Amino acid sequence: GAVVSQHPSWVICKSGTSVKIECRSLDFQATTMFWYRQFPKQSLMLMATSNEGSKATYEQGVEKDKFLINHASLTLSTLTVTSAHPEDSSFYICSARDPRTSGSPQETQYFGPGTRLLVL
Amino acid sequence: KQEVTQIPAALSVPEGENLVLNCSFTDSAIYNLQWFRQDPGKGLTSLLLIQSSQREQTSGRLNASLDKSSGRSTLYIAASQPGDSATYLCAVNRGSTLGRLYFGRGTQLTVWP
Repeated sequence: GAVVSQHPSWVICKSGTSVKIECRSLDFQATTMFWYRQFPKQSLMLMATSNEGSKATYEQGVEKDKFLINHASLTLSTLTVTSAHPEDSSFYICSARDPRTSGSPQETQYFGPGTRLLVL
Repeated sequence: KQEVTQIPAALSVPEGENLVLNCSFTDSAIYNLQWFRQDPGKGLTSLLLIQSSQREQTSGRLNASLDKSSGRSTLYIAASQPGDSATYLCAVNRGSTLGRLYFGRGTQLTVWP
C-alpha cells in the first residue's frame, strides 16, 4: 500500500511554545489530508480536513487559531500546535486520501505512524 | 450523522480461538467499510475494505462481512495468535465529497499463549 510519513514521531516541548508536525505522502499526490487526535484508549477524533491550495475545514470545537493547518503542496500538510499547553498532549495522526480511488467504492485513506506530543 | 459502535470494547482469549468482532453503524448509506489494526503507539494499518455492494472480503485468517441494510459488519479472526493482539477499528466511508471516515472506538484484543 501507499506510504504516509509523519515527522517527528515524538516531541517534548515546554508550555507556551509552538510545535509543527509534518505529514507527507511519499508515493502519491494527495489533494486531501486529514488530521486526527487520539487520547489513550480512545478512537480517532477528526480535527480537520486539509485541502491543497485552500483553507482547512475544521471540525466543531477545534480551535483553528490553536491548530494551524497548511497544505502547501500535493505531498505535504503541516499541523502547528500554537502556544502548546499540557492539555494539548496527545497522539496526533494524519491520513492522506488516495486520489486513485477517490470517489469510487474502493476509496481509502492511508495513515501515518502518528506523532506523540508531550507538553510540559 | 453517522455513528459507529464496536462491541466488545475489549476481548482477551487464549491462542487458537476463533473470534468475532462486531461493528454497527446508524446510516446505511455508505460507500464502504474498512477494518483497521492499530498497535500501541502506532498508526493504522488497513486490513480489509468492503465496498457497499459486497457482502464479504477475506484476507488470510481474516474475514469481514457487511450487512448494509442492518448496519452491521463483523470481523472474523480464525485461529488467533498472540501476534494478533492489537486494537481493531472499524471505519465507515459515507461517500461525502471530502471522503471523511467515521470511526468506532475499537476493540482491544489480547491473545495470550
